[in-house]
Amino acid sequence: QAVLTQPSSLSASPGASVSLTCTLRSDINVDTYRIYWYLQKPGSPPQYLLRYKSDSEKQQGSGVPSRFSGSKDASANAGILLVSGLQSEDEADYYCMIWFSSASVFGSGTKVTVL
Amino acid sequence: QVQLQESGPGLVKPSETLSLICTVSDYSISSGYFWAWIRQPPGKDLEYIGSIYHSGTTYYNPSLKSRVTISVDTSKNQFSLRLSSVTAADTAVYYCARRDHGEAFDIWGQGTMVTVSS
Repeated sequence: QAVLTQPSSLSASPGASVSLTCTLRSDINVDTYRIYWYLQKPGSPPQYLLRYKSDSEKQQGSGVPSRFSGSKDASANAGILLVSGLQSEDEADYYCMIWFSSASVFGSGTKVTVL
Repeated sequence: QVQLQESGPGLVKPSETLSLICTVSDYSISSGYFWAWIRQPPGKDLEYIGSIYHSGTTYYNPSLKSRVTISVDTSKNQFSLRLSSVTAADTAVYYCARRDHGEAFDIWGQGTMVTVSS
């Protein structure tokens, strides 16, 4: 089972709010990890969005709009990236990441399509 | 604004050693931060390779540790990646990145495609 699991795709209309999930393997407790989020557009490197561990320990990437925010769903053992007011330029692949066993581990990404 | 730029051969033969350099602009490596290599095979997931501090302290992904060497040249403001005994599975876009104090990769190079083929 993968360390991090993300839905492969998601689509929504402009202006919508979407939640991207990043589910941690069942033996890894989401409460103890910082979840990092990146977006990547075709032909470009990933861009750092934010990290989230708790409401008291979180950081927005430099220049990242506040409509990108992080949270967790402990019951689902998952990190969540909320994108509010979806815009056409938000169409991209979104990756989550954690530091696990001395290495960073990335999820397989969610492709977000803006309809 | 800090910029990173990867350079190196785009084609490497199987069993040989892949060598890449990352040149950092507008920031002195000696001032701090860890500097990292990450790769992405075509159509596949991002994979962390390893990181280095200006002092030379390194951390490698255990899955690649036996084949990876990351080094730093503070006089040139560069850090380097060497990956030995490459196979087709090492074909990927290789990115260099800065790892910030919160352990996020906050600044990335544009990436360089390396193909392993005879």
